Amino acid sequence: EIVMTQSPATLSVSPGERATLSCRASQSVSSNLAWYQQKPGQAPRLLIYGASTRAPGIPARFSGSGSGTEFTLTISSLQSEDFAVYYCQHYNNWPPLYTFGQGTKLEIK
Amino acid sequence: QLQLQESGPGLVKPSETLSLTCTVSGGSITTNSYYWGWIRQPPGKGLEWIGNVYYSGSTYYNPSLKSRITISVDTSKKQFSLKLSSVTAADTAMYYCGRHERAYDAFDMWGQGTMVTVSS
Repeated sequence: EIVMTQSPATLSVSPGERATLSCRASQSVSSNLAWYQQKPGQAPRLLIYGASTRAPGIPARFSGSGSGTEFTLTISSLQSEDFAVYYCQHYNNWPPLYTFGQGTKLEIK
Repeated sequence: QLQLQESGPGLVKPSETLSLTCTVSGGSITTNSYYWGWIRQPPGKGLEWIGNVYYSGSTYYNPSLKSRITISVDTSKKQFSLKLSSVTAADTAMYYCGRHERAYDAFDMWGQGTMVTVSS
């Protein structure tokens, strides 16, 4: 079973600065990697799929990169509404299985 | 605009069966572009996929929960449902229904979630 590990657990960044979040897979997942944002009391929102493609309506300040086992979500010029918990997720096509990372909390410095 | 809405009891007794329904509005449930799924999140913890159903009725379950799960779909009502048997306190969580977009291999639409507490 593939394990997704996110780092750091908590990231403190000032508004206007850049945030870099990491996700590592225990074995290669190619580019089958998604990122979600979750704010308190809300459902997750899909940000990135295919490791680097923004979902419809997602601002350009969100970007994803990586392939294989190492992935990065970058948020350039943090806005107040970006402070949230971020999850990475791998989907295995067969047998179908979703594996989520444990999350990174992005907080205001 | 497609919307998903979970419904069901917020309190379930230990050893009983948790039953939830997700109603899809503003779009079709019978397209081959999507799976329909359930995801849960214990308080203060991360996300766990429970299982998916295709409009044809084909189901896919998390192996760790498979023995206790039944997911079904009623296309005439535009609903899909989750049954989780023999619940314990460890099943206390926010339960979300969602739409898996097959082109993205990810959940692109989510319901608002419903909190289910297992307690006597």
